[in-house]
Amino acid sequence: SAVISQKPSRDICQRGTSLTIQCQVDSQVTMMFWYRQQPGQSLTLIATANQGSEATYESGFVIDKFPISRPNLTFSTLTVSNMSPEDSSIYLCSVGQGYDGNTIYFGEGSWLTVV
Amino acid sequence: GQQVMQIPQYQHVQEGEDFTTYCNSSTTLSNIQWYKQRPGGHPVFLIQLVKSGEVKKQKRLTFQFGEAKKNSSLHITATQTTDVGTYFCGRKTSYDKVIFGPGTSLSVIP
Repeated sequence: SAVISQKPSRDICQRGTSLTIQCQVDSQVTMMFWYRQQPGQSLTLIATANQGSEATYESGFVIDKFPISRPNLTFSTLTVSNMSPEDSSIYLCSVGQGYDGNTIYFGEGSWLTVV
Repeated sequence: GQQVMQIPQYQHVQEGEDFTTYCNSSTTLSNIQWYKQRPGGHPVFLIQLVKSGEVKKQKRLTFQFGEAKKNSSLHITATQTTDVGTYFCGRKTSYDKVIFGPGTSLSVIP
């Protein structure tokens, strides 16, 4: 199994500021994923964080708004830039590393409220 | 992409009653995964189904994958208050990213 730690777990942010979320995995993984879950909604993939190359963003998400770093195989950061109230969401880090190749693990999430 | 839909959106049951959520796709799915997210928690992987007609059980939970691999269901027998949460189906891509359905929120009345 994989243990994923996210920081911060919760924050209240001012409009127009930026916040960086950290994701630490207890083992090396090739890919790490960042999801957003808006209040009462499902999870939407923001991007795939690749070690040694630029992140791959999903439709509707851009690097200027959500810059991602992946300095090594156990760590990634997601920055939410120039925040607005619409960015109030849970941001979740995810990896796949089940022994069966199917299990996907999520961090506890970072709950951001933008005021 | 291959989007999946879920019904119902919400379900309220009396403790001890059964519960079923359905996941449907307009196209054939290579696999279907199920997750549970408790209130205030993060999604937890439950199971993956890949074979046509596959049925898997985990204690009171029964998962099915349709013969045409376009639908799936999660059935909980005799619900308990610990079953409260949102159940998501999703499709895992070959690179471990998951395309999630909208989820079914389950409330259990003690």
